[in-house]
Amino acid sequence: EADIYQTPRYLVIGTGKKITLECSQTMGHDKMYWYQQDPGMELHLIHYSYGVNSTEKGDLSSESTVSRIRTEHFPLTLESARPSHTSQYLCASSEVGGSGNTIYFGEGSWLTVV
Amino acid sequence: GNSVTQMEGPVTLSEEAFLTINCTYTATGYPSLFWYVQYPGEGLQLLLKATKADDKGSNKGFEATYRKETTSFHLEKGSVQVSDSAVYFCALSDPMNYGGSQGNLIFGKGTKLSVKP
Repeated sequence: EADIYQTPRYLVIGTGKKITLECSQTMGHDKMYWYQQDPGMELHLIHYSYGVNSTEKGDLSSESTVSRIRTEHFPLTLESARPSHTSQYLCASSEVGGSGNTIYFGEGSWLTVV
Repeated sequence: GNSVTQMEGPVTLSEEAFLTINCTYTATGYPSLFWYVQYPGEGLQLLLKATKADDKGSNKGFEATYRKETTSFHLEKGSVQVSDSAVYFCALSDPMNYGGSQGNLIFGKGTKLSVKP
């Protein structure tokens, strides 16, 4: 069982608010990811990191930002939330190197912007 | 570019029916292939994987074989249960051998399975 935790699980906020989604893992993985899952179920990689002080943009452009100050922690921030940001956000982690490594997912953060 | 195509759902089956969810991929190089499952209200869990051609991944009665010649990784189960109701995602990992993108997953659009008693 994966040890990767996301908070909050569910959040409803008003337009223009700043929000940070927290993600922590206890597996010592160097690589971490954020995926956005739209209501139609599709998953899109929006950010990833392969270690402390590294962040990269994923395949889908996102207005969110991420930071990686500690290995175990990979928060995602929206400076000014909009209804178009309503989605589920999934954090994940894996070991670095090799395409066969399993990626472990957290339970997700459901964000609704009203 | 790399991509995954899986059959569209929803798929509705009766308990004990045979399940097949088709998945084909396009990739340069030699990707690893995965099936993930998402139960309602939860994140994704790895169901099975295969890292090279002709490998068969299996778990919980599900299985899939990495077919390089047909670029496919179809998911099968001989007898589904109500508890198998979930969304199933086929994925490939970026086979590029440089930079941090190696290992990033590219997902299909997901197939929702409903199993009726």
